[in-house]
Amino acid sequence: GQQLNQSPQSMFIQEGEDVSMNCTSSSIFNTWLWYKQDPGEGPVLLIALYKAGELTSNGRLTAQFGITRKDSFLNISASIPSDVGIYFCAGQLIQGAQKLVFGQGTRLTINP
Amino acid sequence: GAGVSQTPSNKVTEKGKYVELRCDPISGHTALYWYRQSLGQGPEFLIYFQGTGAADDSGLPNDRFFAVRPEGSVSTLKIQRTERGDSAVYLCASSFQAGGWAGNEQFFGPGTRLTVL
Repeated sequence: GQQLNQSPQSMFIQEGEDVSMNCTSSSIFNTWLWYKQDPGEGPVLLIALYKAGELTSNGRLTAQFGITRKDSFLNISASIPSDVGIYFCAGQLIQGAQKLVFGQGTRLTINP
Repeated sequence: GAGVSQTPSNKVTEKGKYVELRCDPISGHTALYWYRQSLGQGPEFLIYFQGTGAADDSGLPNDRFFAVRPEGSVSTLKIQRTERGDSAVYLCASSFQAGGWAGNEQFFGPGTRLTVL
């Protein structure tokens, strides 16, 4: 079953607002990834994090790999309509690093 | 092609039937992964291949599920005696090699939506 707890489950915001979502786990992860999934599509990689404490940006997106290796957050600044979708965190455990373990997803809805 | 492709995009079948789902990975990627995504959930790992061999099949739910990758490229996920609970989106991903490091991320296909009536 799932080992990542992702919150919030859904968000309803106004265009232009900033967004923050996070994932926590009871297990230590070697890698944290953030994906976005649009309807009818597969997840698309947004940001990948490989070191504890790492803070990485990709345009308006910023993500951090927690110091304890058990959590990560994703921030989106100045949201725009195309940010609508479902965001998933995913991690690779230190042992058996090949498979990804996913969170339950955060559904983002933006009111124009 | 430029990305991971999966066929068919949609498959409707009757309970008890056999289905095959196909995945074409990104050219040159040696690792291939299958995940299953139920409605409202994140993807769940099923199996991964390094080359032609199944290196980890710990996510396959039971022996009705089987996957092959005979030439180290295209993979087929096979489901026997389908049940209504098998209805989900089946996602395929590939990466240059197996393992989590920079430059070796998993890229996903659009998925096959399987509906078992």
